[in-house]
Amino acid sequence: GAGVSQSPRYKVAKRGQDVALRCDPISGHVSLFWYQQALGQGPEFLTYFQNEAQLDKSGLPSDRFFAERPEGSVSTLKIQRTQQEDSAVYLCASSSLPRTGRKAFFGQGTRLTVV
Amino acid sequence: QKEVEQDPGPLSVPEGAIVSLNCTYSNSAFQYFMWYRQYSRKGPELLMYTYSSGNKEDGRFTAQVDKSSKYISLFIRDSQPSDSATYLCAMGRDGANSKLTFGKGITLSVRP
Repeated sequence: GAGVSQSPRYKVAKRGQDVALRCDPISGHVSLFWYQQALGQGPEFLTYFQNEAQLDKSGLPSDRFFAERPEGSVSTLKIQRTQQEDSAVYLCASSSLPRTGRKAFFGQGTRLTVV
Repeated sequence: QKEVEQDPGPLSVPEGAIVSLNCTYSNSAFQYFMWYRQYSRKGPELLMYTYSSGNKEDGRFTAQVDKSSKYISLFIRDSQPSDSATYLCAMGRDGANSKLTFGKGITLSVRP
């Protein structure tokens, strides 16, 4: 595709509900990142994939957060038993280069609101 | 202290002004530096990418990196109302720990 695509754009979840956020990276991009952006803050790293391998998940805030990229293209970020503090914009980025964030291109993000 | 500190905002300038946006960092391992522009309710858009000390120019934008002082800047010449957005500095290093570390962002408003 022309750019990184994320869906849904907006998600409202009741506290305790599970959610799944989807990212379609730029075709052929080997590196894929997930970031969390709280209101008025810069994005914070969550996890990194090189193709289907999750090389770094050090930024995932708890074991309620889980990400996968089974075929090395589309990725899903899953949040179980959502809490109010999970409300944020979740951004996906991809890069054609391996093991680097150089020239990473971002999607529009998914705005998650937990009520 | 955060790894990346960005000058606080917001910043309001008249159209045509020269804008200077700055970030400092503490991690000398950072190898590359980027500036992103983020419009309201949109994702960050890559503006400038540099990996060495010095200046890089692209149209009205100039990115400056001083690795010895751990200081980066973005200059915008002849600012336009369409430049009104949040500007984020970001930096990183290669390898398995390849995440980008962002500044907090500064919101710029260019008044017509």
